[in-house]
Amino acid sequence: QVQLQESGPRLVKPSETLSLTCTFSGYSFSSGYFWAWIRQSPGKGLEWIGSVYKSGTTYYNPSLKSRVTILGDTSKNQISLKLNSVTAADTAIYYCARELPEEADAFDIWGQGTMVTVSS
Amino acid sequence: DIQMTQSPSSLSASVGDRVTVTCRASQSIGNFLNWYQWRPGEPPKLLIYGASSLQSGVPSRFSGSGSETDFTLTISSLQPEDFATYYCQHSYNYPRAFGGGTKVEI
Repeated sequence: QVQLQESGPRLVKPSETLSLTCTFSGYSFSSGYFWAWIRQSPGKGLEWIGSVYKSGTTYYNPSLKSRVTILGDTSKNQISLKLNSVTAADTAIYYCARELPEEADAFDIWGQGTMVTVSS
Repeated sequence: DIQMTQSPSSLSASVGDRVTVTCRASQSIGNFLNWYQWRPGEPPKLLIYGASSLQSGVPSRFSGSGSETDFTLTISSLQPEDFATYYCQHSYNYPRAFGGGTKVEI
């Protein structure tokens, strides 16, 4: 079955760049689907960050667009997230997820998530 | 951009209660509305997609209804494991958006 695993530094300093990777198993990124990054800040709700397709097409949350880059790597079967100029407000659990067209493009499979803290 | 508004933000209920959560979209989204359950320490879990379709493996006490701008998630008989936070999310277009969440407490 399809499994997703997020990885990357758990602690990032203010003004620096947050970098995460989501690696797939059981499915090839080059086969299709949009893949998304979603986060949840402590005590707050879920926030969609952006989505990427195998072609390189990306869509971003307008509130984060100026700071976000999401890329897909077919050779490594993974997607990546870069968020620059981070502040304490970017402290959150970061998830990657699959959008399934057969199910109204819902996020049907999620990684376990990785907690990233922004602090000096 | 489409905004999603959930109500209530929290509610108190007992085991066996019937619980209803509502979600409103700022414009028509057809039936591109999905519901998730989130428990601390776990990733969100898809419950309902396409407004009313039950995700495989999800108990039948969960149901969804609605279309266009107004949607409802119903839990027919609340179980102990259902105490969690529930989110709606539209997938009509980009940017995607979630509602603010509804925390179901004992």
